[in-house]
Amino acid sequence: TQLLEQSPQFLSIQEGENLTVYCNSSSVFSSLQWYRQEPGEGPVLLVTVVTGGEVKKLKRLTFQFGDARKDSSLHITAAQPGDTGLYLCAGMDSNYQLIWGAGTKLIIKP
Amino acid sequence: DTGVSQDPRHKITKRGQNVTFRCDPISEHNRLYWYRQTLGQGPEFLTYFQNEAQLEKSRLLSDRFSAERPKGSFSTLEIQRTEQGDSAMYLCASSGGSSPLHFGNGTRLTVT
Repeated sequence: TQLLEQSPQFLSIQEGENLTVYCNSSSVFSSLQWYRQEPGEGPVLLVTVVTGGEVKKLKRLTFQFGDARKDSSLHITAAQPGDTGLYLCAGMDSNYQLIWGAGTKLIIKP
Repeated sequence: DTGVSQDPRHKITKRGQNVTFRCDPISEHNRLYWYRQTLGQGPEFLTYFQNEAQLEKSRLLSDRFSAERPKGSFSTLEIQRTEQGDSAMYLCASSGGSSPLHFGNGTRLTVT
């Protein structure tokens, strides 16, 4: 059974601090996606990483895919209250199915 | 392209009633997924269509749940004899080619 473990489950920090969210698995994925979800809405795709070791930046967000394509991290620099939300990682398997992490609930306090 | 749309956004029903939700995917997407999500958790896979064919259904899904995609475009998800444990957000997503999943805003079901 493929599993994606996300950590931490919950994170509450002050505005301006940095943070990293981790997504780990024992399985290899063809790609890995990060989503952000706000209450009452569906997940919104932030980024897809495909190549082992790939790093993608989206403003203050930096996403990295592990060399073996089994793990990923999301780093946020100088977090802002607008970054508050549920961050979900999901790995795509060979059957086009997404294996989901349980999410990291992030709260940025002003 | 208006993205994935779901209807209704909210549904309140009494236990034992049947409910049906609709999903209109992005028009050129041939793959359509249904997920269920409870508060603070990641989405839980329910079923998956490629065009009109239902290719996979979660083993966790009871026989009270059925989904259709008759013409390979919109899809419906029906829950018969609803139970309080069915209360959740039901999400639809679509994709095509190598594109990632695009989600609708979900239907929030409350069973009283």
